[in-house]
Amino acid sequence: GESVGLHLPTLSVQEGDNSIINCAYSNSASDYFIWYKQESGKGPQFIIDIRSNMDKRQGQRVTVLLNKTVKHLSLQIAATQPGDSAVYFCAENWGSSASKIIFGSGTRLSIRP
Amino acid sequence: DVKVTQSSRYLVKRTGEKVFLECVQDMDHENMFWYRQDPGLGLRLIYFSYDVKMKEKGDIPEGYSVSREKKERFSLILESASTNQTSMYLCASSLAPLGTSSQHFGDGTRLSIL
Repeated sequence: GESVGLHLPTLSVQEGDNSIINCAYSNSASDYFIWYKQESGKGPQFIIDIRSNMDKRQGQRVTVLLNKTVKHLSLQIAATQPGDSAVYFCAENWGSSASKIIFGSGTRLSIRP
Repeated sequence: DVKVTQSSRYLVKRTGEKVFLECVQDMDHENMFWYRQDPGLGLRLIYFSYDVKMKEKGDIPEGYSVSREKKERFSLILESASTNQTSMYLCASSLAPLGTSSQHFGDGTRLSIL
């Protein structure tokens, strides 16, 4: 079946360094992708999204890269801060139904002081 | 900012009980969703609703039902709770159409069935 996966379940990064979180997707029909951040005890929060007609999108300290050739999505966080500690997961959409959204299981990002 | 409010953060119920989880959103969103979140599995869709009194089954609807009598409120009902329904339940809402915008999530209800 279709799935969204993550290359690494956990990631430890030095404070101030850049973080890169990866996500693989398998549905070539997916045309909209979202990264969410979930802090402990809270619900997922939208970080950034990207549509399939784009390769790159930048936000505040975050960049999402989409490589459709290898069905790969990444989230880059610049100058990682303690407040970035959370679980990050991606979601892919390939239609207008809620049943056509798949969420990855997440990567836990921890920050070393 | 969109606010999605789930009525309980933590809930403990007994096997066989009927359990109600309530969710309210304040942004007049058409779409509302119920997910459960289990370690290592990602979010799994239980039910969703495109409009008042409309509901659609998601990937794991067995043992659950929903109610949407008003646009802002979407309730999840466990008809007869079982221990395998112990989980984190997340409610979300979004503006139509789906597939073009993100979802806004509540902070979840951690439900334990004893």
